[in-house]
Amino acid sequence: QVQLQESGPGLVKPSGTLSLTCAVSGDSISSNWWSWVRQSPGQGLEWIGEIYHSGSANYNPSLESRVTISIDESKKHFSLNLKSVTAADTAVYFCTRGVEYGGYDYFGYWGQGTLVTVSS
Amino acid sequence: SALTQPPSASGSPAQSVTISCTGTSSDVGAYKYVSWYQQHPGKAPKLIIYEVDKRPSGVPDRFSGSKSGNRASLTVSGLQAEDEADYYCSSYAGSDNGVFFGGGTKLTVL
Repeated sequence: QVQLQESGPGLVKPSGTLSLTCAVSGDSISSNWWSWVRQSPGQGLEWIGEIYHSGSANYNPSLESRVTISIDESKKHFSLNLKSVTAADTAVYFCTRGVEYGGYDYFGYWGQGTLVTVSS
Repeated sequence: SALTQPPSASGSPAQSVTISCTGTSSDVGAYKYVSWYQQHPGKAPKLIIYEVDKRPSGVPDRFSGSKSGNRASLTVSGLQAEDEADYYCSSYAGSDNGVFFGGGTKLTVL
């Protein structure tokens, strides 16, 4: 059974960098796409970006200048760095694993999510 | 949000309800990679429909999806109390834009 667990600081100062890690268990990290999705309080979902085990990554154009997603196969985790944060980046951050159907990966497995608040 | 959903929908037990998701010819209208997610309060979303109208194993057949042009729809038939949740549509939007989500629809079972 695939399990994903987000970890990282719950509070980040404005203009700082938000850093989260997603630990993967019950599955190999050497396949599928691994993504970050966030949800602002009381709001909808927003795709942040994704990474393949090879290191190839794609990002939401609206966040691309501030986002880096990386993967560490040996440690079985992948990470999110979001720099120059503002209050608008306050959200629950989910990590996900893609499930492939018909040649496309959907967000099939999700972590429980972790709330990150941007505040001084 | 890039995809437009009604903020709320409701129905009585055993009834059917349909939730719409409107995009453009560059996302919903262009690709078959339309999906729907169910999210209960305080929980992570769950994939319930993929590729417009297909259900992952374990998802009841009360959930069905369809698409016409730039508009996708999720229908929940035979409403049950446990179906009360937020529902989000999602679509691939090409290599330049990645993935779009709708703003979500809160489904209330009366």
